[in-house]
Amino acid sequence: GENVEQHPSTLSVQEGDSAVIKCTYSDSASNYFPWYKQELGKRPQLIIDIRSNVGEKKDQRIAVTLNKTAKHFSLHITETQPEDSAVYFCAPGGFKTIFGAGTRLFVKA
Amino acid sequence: SQTIHQWPATLVQPVGSPLSLECTVEGTSNPNLYWYRQAAGRGLQLLFYSVGIGQISSEVPQNLSASRPQDRQFILSSKKLLLSDSGFYLCAWSVARGPYEQYFGPGTRLTVT
Repeated sequence: GENVEQHPSTLSVQEGDSAVIKCTYSDSASNYFPWYKQELGKRPQLIIDIRSNVGEKKDQRIAVTLNKTAKHFSLHITETQPEDSAVYFCAPGGFKTIFGAGTRLFVKA
Repeated sequence: SQTIHQWPATLVQPVGSPLSLECTVEGTSNPNLYWYRQAAGRGLQLLFYSVGIGQISSEVPQNLSASRPQDRQFILSSKKLLLSDSGFYLCAWSVARGPYEQYFGPGTRLTVT
C-alpha cells in the first residue's frame, strides 16, 4: 500500500520566518497532492493542492512544489503569522488518499 | 452549495456497547465518501471509503463496519465497542471524478469507557 512520510513532525519558527514541510510517498500512480490544515479541535481544511502535471503552485503566502521523479512534495509558508499555528497534513493519492502523520507548526510571536 | 452533516457531535459509550454514527451530504450527487479516525494528537487513519451505493472498501480489519444505504448517506457501526475505539471520527466527501479535495464534516468525538 501507499507509504506516506512527513517531516518534520514538529516545527517551531519565529513570526515572519518561513516554514517548509516535506512529504514523501511511495505510490507512483498518485496524481493529486494536497495539503490540509487542522486547527485544534476542528476539522481539516484544504489550503493548497497541486496536480501531477504542475511543478509548483502559489497562493499568497503559501506554495506547494512537486517532484514526481523523487516522489516528494513540499509546503512552503512565508512570512509566518501566529494564526498559521496548526497541524498540517499531506495526503497524496487520488480519490483515495492516505494522510501523513502531520506536522505541528508553532509560530512564536 | 454543498454541506456535510455528522451526528452526534460527542458520544460516551461503555465498552461492549454498539455504535452507529451517521453522515449525510447535501448539494452533490454520487460523491466519494470516507470515514477517518483520529486519535488524540495523531494523524488521520482511513477506515472506509465508498465510491457508490453499497460499495464499501475497508482499510482496517477491526470491529467496525460501514454502510452506504443511500447515495449521500454513510454510516459507521460497531456491534461491540473496545476502549481502543475512542477517538475523533471524521466523515468526508469528494467529487466522484475529481478534483479530489476532501470536505470534512464537523466530526464525532467518541469516548469509550
